Amino acid sequence: EIVMTQSPATLSVSPGERATLSCRASQSVSRNLAWYQQKPGQAPRLLIYDASTRATGIPARFSGSGSGTEFTLTISSLQSEDFAVYYCQQYNNWSPVTFGGGTKVEIK
Amino acid sequence: QVQLQESGPGPVKPSQTLSLTCTVSGGSISSGSYYWSWIRQPAGKGLEWIGHIFSSGSTNYNPSLKSRVTISADTSKNQFSLDLTSVTAADTAVYYCARTAVGTLDYWGQGTLVTVSS
Repeated sequence: EIVMTQSPATLSVSPGERATLSCRASQSVSRNLAWYQQKPGQAPRLLIYDASTRATGIPARFSGSGSGTEFTLTISSLQSEDFAVYYCQQYNNWSPVTFGGGTKVEIK
Repeated sequence: QVQLQESGPGPVKPSQTLSLTCTVSGGSISSGSYYWSWIRQPAGKGLEWIGHIFSSGSTNYNPSLKSRVTISADTSKNQFSLDLTSVTAADTAVYYCARTAVGTLDYWGQGTLVTVSS
């Protein structure tokens, strides 16, 4: 099983500031990496796939980078609606598909 | 617009079988392009992939749950289902169904809370 590790667990950021979230894979997942946003009481929403491609309707302030075992999600200027939990997910190995433990982005 | 909706009978007693159904609208589960997945999330915790089914009927399960999980599909109703046997309190979670496109979960149901309790 590929273990996905996200850091930090909690990130305190002021509105308008930049947020940088990290995700590390225990072995290479190539660029088969997605990012999701989850708000309380809601299902996760796909933000980024193939490590750096924004999903339909996702604002340009969200960007993804990385390959192999190291990945980053950057939110360039945090808006109030961006405070949420973010998960990474690898789909290079489907047995099983695995998620990171999440990073909570909270208001500073 | 694809929409998914989970449904189930409610609380489940320990050792019994948890059964959920996902009804899909706005797209056919018979389409050869997608997998149809189940994911769960215990309260305050992260996401766990349970497994998925392809339009051909082939399935893939999380090895940690494989001995207890069955995912099936009813194309006439455009639904797919999850059966999880021998449940314990550790199976208490919000259960989501989702569409999988090339490995990514692009459409999700709203989720349904299943509580395992005697």
